[in-house]
Amino acid sequence: KQEVTQIPAALSVPEGENLVLNCSFTDSAIYNLQWFRQDPGKGLTSLLLIQSSQREQTSGRLNASLDKSSGRSTLYIAASQPGDSATYLCAGVDSNYQLIWGAGTKLIIKP
Amino acid sequence: ETGVTQTPRHLVMGMTNKKSLKCEQHLGHNAMYWYKQSAKKPLELMFVYNFKEQTENNSVPSRFSPECPNSSHLFLHLHTLQPEDSALYLCASSQVAGGEGDTQYFGPGTRLTVL
Repeated sequence: KQEVTQIPAALSVPEGENLVLNCSFTDSAIYNLQWFRQDPGKGLTSLLLIQSSQREQTSGRLNASLDKSSGRSTLYIAASQPGDSATYLCAGVDSNYQLIWGAGTKLIIKP
Repeated sequence: ETGVTQTPRHLVMGMTNKKSLKCEQHLGHNAMYWYKQSAKKPLELMFVYNFKEQTENNSVPSRFSPECPNSSHLFLHLHTLQPEDSALYLCASSQVAGGEGDTQYFGPGTRLTVL
């Protein structure tokens, strides 16, 4: 059964730092990978989608990569800002075409 | 605003009550989903509807009953819930369930508390 682990569970860094969030899968057979952001008390917003034929995607200060052979994905945030504070979740599409979710990394950017 | 709305945003109910959660999407999507999000746990997929047909029921207790009258609306009927059912219930929609590159769009959720 596919399981997703996100490390760290929580992270607090000063504004301006570059940071990396990690996501790993027990089964490397995933089709695509998404990163989402969730603000307190709100739903999820899709940030980046890496499709099965891709290795990375970039949007502004965000870069997500996917290494299927190792079952790992990283989300890189450059020049972090207080507005980046949120919980970040990764989800992979498994062989049943279902999204399998990590528990998230709670990120706090200190001004 | 993602184009997916949920009502109510907050709900407190007793164990003997019957209530319903509503989700509506304005994106022209054909698939809709119910998820349960408990504190510090991964999202749990509950139900999937694709073109109004239920395609997934992840061993959800029968005290949760979904209804999808059309591709734009999704309901979750609740009855005789337990305190451990307290959670954030999220609705999502996508173009087609299981499609390559398909992205889900989420509503803001309903925070449910069962007393």
